[in-house]
Formats: sequence, structure tokens, C-alpha cells
Amino acid sequence: EIVLTQSPATLSLSPGERATLSCRASQSVREYLAWYQQKPGQAPRLLIYDASNRATGIPARFSGSGSGTDFTLTISSLEPEDFAVYYCQQCSNWPPMYTFGQGTKLEIK
Amino acid sequence: QVQLVESGGGVVQPGMSLRLSCAASGFTLTSQGMHWVRQAPGKGLEWVAVIWYDGNHIFYRDSVKGRFTISRDASKNTLYLQMNTLRAEDTALYYCARGSGPNHSRFEYWGQGTLVTVSS
Repeated sequence: EIVLTQSPATLSLSPGERATLSCRASQSVREYLAWYQQKPGQAPRLLIYDASNRATGIPARFSGSGSGTDFTLTISSLEPEDFAVYYCQQCSNWPPMYTFGQGTKLEIK
Repeated sequence: QVQLVESGGGVVQPGMSLRLSCAASGFTLTSQGMHWVRQAPGKGLEWVAVIWYDGNHIFYRDSVKGRFTISRDASKNTLYLQMNTLRAEDTALYYCARGSGPNHSRFEYWGQGTLVTVSS
């Protein structure tokens, strides 16, 4: 099973700052990596798919990069509504198994 | 617009059964892969099961194999998760999610979840 490790566990930043979140896979997932945002009491929301494609309606300040085993989610300038938990997720080829990272909590400094 | 509404959660004793439902609207269930994903209280996300659009490919995480069954009813446009022999560690908020991409690899739309509590 492919394990996704996210870092840091918690990131404390101020509005307007740049956020960089990391996700490392235990083996290559090619480019099939997605990022989700989850706010308290809400369902997760798809932000990025295939490592670098923004989902419908996602603001341009969110961007994703990486391939193979190392991936990054960048929020260029934090808005107050961006403080949440972020998860990365991958799907292995066959049999398809879907795994999430443990999450990074982005909190207001 | 796409909408997913889960129901059927509740409090049950260990060893008992429960069936969750996910009513879909805004799309046809049989044209998409559908997943169940759960989240234990205060914990992260954990994928549970998937049924591909063709209905012939069904996969489960190891810890629920043989106990949980994912299925769908095309006439009701509803997804189900039959959960048998429930354990305390199955306690979680259960989301249904529509898959997208190769192997339905990502979770594009989510319901709001239904809470399952397994406790004696």
C-alpha cells in the first residue's frame, strides 16, 4: 500500500503570507495526486487533481506541483477562509486503492 | 447541480448491522464511479469502498472486506453501503463521494456525511 506523508502537521501563518504544504509518497504515484481542503463541520472539497490542475471554481492562488513521490500545494497569499485542514490523496494503479495523507492543519498565527 | 445526500447512520452495538444510503441528483449514478469515505471523530479521511460506473468493478479497503458491501439502485439513483459485524473502530462520519478521472481516482463531489457510532 502506498503511504502518503504530509508535512508539516501544523502550519501557522498570517493572512497574506505564502503557504507551502508537502506530500511525499512511499512510491511513485506518477501525477495522480489530488489535494482537498476541509473546514470544521464541512465535507472535504477537491482543490487540485493530477498534481497541478485546479478543480472547478478553485481560486488561482491555489496551485499544485510535483510528480513521482514529491508534491507541493502552494497558496500564494492566504485569505482568512483558507485556514483549514488540507489532505493529499492518491490512487494506486491496480487493484485501485485510494489513500489519503494524514493532513496538514493550516492555522492563523 | 450535483447533490449527494447520505442517510441511515445511527448508534448500534458491536456485531450489529447498518445500511447507509446516498441519494444522488444532478447526474446518473450508473455513469460515474461512486465511493464511500469515512472520518473517525477528530481523525483524517479513510477510503472505504468504490463501485465503478460499470457496476462490475468493486473494491474495498482490507479492514472492511467481507463485512461491508457497496451497491446501487439505478431506479432510485441511490448508492448503498451495507455494513455487517460492526466494530468500535468503524465509528465515523461516512461520506459518499463521486469519483472522477482514471480509475475514478479523485473525489469530485461529496455529501455532508452520516454518522455511525458503534458502542455497547
